[in-house]
Amino acid sequence: DTEVTQTPKHLVMGMTNKKSLKCEQHMGHRAMYWYKQKAKKPPELMFVYSYEKLSINESVPSRFSPECPNSSLLNLHLHALQPEDSALYLCASSQDIGLGGYTFGSGTRLTVV
Amino acid sequence: QKEVEQNSGPLSVPEGAIASLNCTYSDRGSQSFFWYRQYSGKSPELIMSIYSNGDKEDGRFTAQLNKASQYVSLLIRDSQPSDSATYLCAVNIVTGGGNKLTFGTGTQLKVEL
Repeated sequence: DTEVTQTPKHLVMGMTNKKSLKCEQHMGHRAMYWYKQKAKKPPELMFVYSYEKLSINESVPSRFSPECPNSSLLNLHLHALQPEDSALYLCASSQDIGLGGYTFGSGTRLTVV
Repeated sequence: QKEVEQNSGPLSVPEGAIASLNCTYSDRGSQSFFWYRQYSGKSPELIMSIYSNGDKEDGRFTAQLNKASQYVSLLIRDSQPSDSATYLCAVNIVTGGGNKLTFGTGTQLKVEL
């Protein structure tokens, strides 16, 4: 299995909702990442997990809360988002931090209304 | 100075020509360099990685790295309309918190019939 699976593919949520994005990989990778990508912009790093521990938080607002329940799963909990948070949220994994290229999932297209 | 810089394009080439995409980076300590292809509305796909000075060839793609000049390039030979996409240069930047894969703004490539 050489894939990173993200669910859901599309999500529309209100500003008072709570939702979660899910990411799963079975490649034995020990580093997992959340990126945010706005239209016509490059992906921007949000969080890095290494061996299930949060390694990097790029000063992301607390309305985004990551969680890594085990080495194969990565979640992103969303609460009280703003319309400007609408974007493509990408999960990625790599063998280890700084080792090799990242494999990206297909992303979750999030719209906040 | 941005950490990773690319011309945004669009770069237009005729079918069958060589497309040349360029990237510069600011961190002299970087050791890992990647090219991703991203079709509109899709997630980035890793097409080349390069770690040593010189050229690396894979099919129609050649990546070139010059660490002294802090320069990475991607050549696409015999360009096809299906190569039309945004090409993202990515560099592993070493920080105090760990390595971060940082993307350039991307170059849009259009291969014309």
